[in-house]
Amino acid sequence: ELKVEQNPLFLSMQEGKNYTIYCNYSTTSDRLYWYRQDPGKSLESLFVLLSNGAVKQEGRLMASLDTKARLSTLHITAAVHDLSATYFCAGEPYGNKLVFGAGTILRVKS
Amino acid sequence: DTGVSQDPRHKITKRGQNVTFRCDPISEHNRLYWYRQTLGQGPEFLTYFQNEAQLEKSRLLSDRFSAERPKGSFSTLEIQRTEQGDSAMYLCASSLAGQGPHTQYFGPGTRLTVL
Repeated sequence: ELKVEQNPLFLSMQEGKNYTIYCNYSTTSDRLYWYRQDPGKSLESLFVLLSNGAVKQEGRLMASLDTKARLSTLHITAAVHDLSATYFCAGEPYGNKLVFGAGTILRVKS
Repeated sequence: DTGVSQDPRHKITKRGQNVTFRCDPISEHNRLYWYRQTLGQGPEFLTYFQNEAQLEKSRLLSDRFSAERPKGSFSTLEIQRTEQGDSAMYLCASSLAGQGPHTQYFGPGTRLTVL
């Protein structure tokens, strides 16, 4: 059974700084997804990572996947307040349901 | 297309009552999923449909829960004899299954409070 662990669970950072959120998963996952959730809102898809070595970037966020290490990272560059949200990674064990991590609450302070 | 919609957005009920939620997926999507999210946690899978067929149900989905997608379009999730532990956000998502990744797009959710 796929299990997904994220760390840290809470991240407070200053504007302009860089940081990385880590997502470890326990068994094979077809794909790895990153979602963003604002308070009281639903989930917004950020990235889909399909294969080993995949890297995707959108603005100040960059996601990567290492299937051998069963590790995905979400790197934040020069954080801005608008990035404050909860970030979830999710694995997809059989090409159907998603298995989510507990989420990382990101607070960017000015 | 306006995305995945859910109704109602909020539901407050008394313990023991039945509740029903509706989800309208993105129109061309053949897969529809239900998840439950409690405070401070990631969404947990409940069940999913491909067209009108319910293909998988989680162990979380007790006998009090039933889901349907009668014509392969909208879906309903019913909870009978609600309990306080059912209080959560119920999220619906849809995707287009086929070749390549099929990203799940989530609706706004229905927040259930059981008193």
